[in-house]
Amino acid sequence: KQEVTQIPAALSVPEGENLVLNCSFTDSAIYNLQWFRQDPGKGLTSLLLIQSSQREQTSGRLNASLDKSSGRSTLYIAASQPGDSATYLCAVVNNNAGNMLTFGGGTRLMVKP
Amino acid sequence: ETGVTQSPTHLIKTRGQQVTLRCSSQSGHNTVSWYQQALGQGPQFIFQYYREEENGRGNFPPRFSGLQFPNYSSELNVNALELDDSALYLCASSPRQGLYEQFFGPGTRLTVL
Repeated sequence: KQEVTQIPAALSVPEGENLVLNCSFTDSAIYNLQWFRQDPGKGLTSLLLIQSSQREQTSGRLNASLDKSSGRSTLYIAASQPGDSATYLCAVVNNNAGNMLTFGGGTRLMVKP
Repeated sequence: ETGVTQSPTHLIKTRGQQVTLRCSSQSGHNTVSWYQQALGQGPQFIFQYYREEENGRGNFPPRFSGLQFPNYSSELNVNALELDDSALYLCASSPRQGLYEQFFGPGTRLTVL
């Protein structure tokens, strides 16, 4: 059974810092991995989708990498801003699980002005 | 292009009652998935519908049931509500069956007293 873990559970940084969020998964037979952002009490906004054949994806100040063999992904946020404060969730789709997303518990990020 | 919408936004029920939550998929999307997110946790997959049929189910009891309509909108029904059913219920749609990016709605916050 796939298990997804995100470390740290919470993170507080001053504005302007570069930061890395970590995601690990136990079953490397994944089809893709998605990073999402969730504001308090709201739905999920897709940030980046990495197919299993890819090593990384970039969007603006965000860069996500994938090392499938070691079961790890990182989300790098450059020059953090207070508006980046949110919970960041990673989720994987396994090859044998249709389009079911298995989520980690999330990292709560606070960027202080 | 209209995104995924859900209704109602908030709902309060008492233990033992029944509830119906609704989701309209994004235009052109024919696959809908439902997730339950307890406070402080990542979402958990409930089930997925494709062309009006259930197409995968997570570890949820039969009192969680659903429907998909010819216009691809969907309902989630929960019978005999329990206190632990209190959660944010998220609906996600994708353009077709298979391994495609999923787009989430804003969620319905259900409180069971």
